[in-house]
Amino acid sequence: QVQLQESGPGLVKPSETLSLTCTVSDYSLSSAYYWGWIRQPPGKGLEWIGTIDRSGSASHNPSLNSRLTISVDTSKNRFSLKLTSLTAADTAVYFCARRSTAGDAFDMWGQGTLVSVSS
Amino acid sequence: QSVLTQPPSVSGAPGQRVTISCTGSSSNIGADYDVHWYQQLPGTAPKLLIYGNTNRPSGVPDRFSGSKSGTSASLAITGLQAEDEADYYCQSFDGSLRAVLFGGGTRLTVL
Repeated sequence: QVQLQESGPGLVKPSETLSLTCTVSDYSLSSAYYWGWIRQPPGKGLEWIGTIDRSGSASHNPSLNSRLTISVDTSKNRFSLKLTSLTAADTAVYFCARRSTAGDAFDMWGQGTLVSVSS
Repeated sequence: QSVLTQPPSVSGAPGQRVTISCTGSSSNIGADYDVHWYQQLPGTAPKLLIYGNTNRPSGVPDRFSGSKSGTSASLAITGLQAEDEADYYCQSFDGSLRAVLFGGGTRLTVL
């Protein structure tokens, strides 16, 4: 059973950089699929952050593009997110997910990790 | 304000049928991009419910069905059960924005 697990700091200061990692178990990132990040501010809806494939080719939400870097490390079977210049508006639960090969639906999700931006 | 518009809430009694709409535009749903639906129970990650407009992943009951027409899509739930009480989100792609979009979400209450 494929599993995804997010890891990273729960609290980050404004203007700093957020680094999150998603470790994938029981499936090799170098095989296939795309991998994505989605976030959800407390009490609000889902927002797509970005998606990356095994070669490192990434697509980003245009609203985050200038602050966002998504990367993949197939040797460690994980992919990562870096978001710079954080503000309180970046406070959210961050999910990593697998994008299905049958279209662009996200068919498997991590449990999510809450990131709070506060001084 | 989401580009994909969903009603904030719907409700129904056990056993009834409810539908949740997802309205887009000519640059997303109307441009023939697929619509997917997710169910999110409180405090949990979203779960894929419908993919490719009408398809159910293995394990999703056939009480859940999806449809798409023009610039809109719908999720129908028949034989409503208490366990269906959750938030539901649609997802598509916008060719103009070059972005994956989620609807604002709909909270289903089982009366």
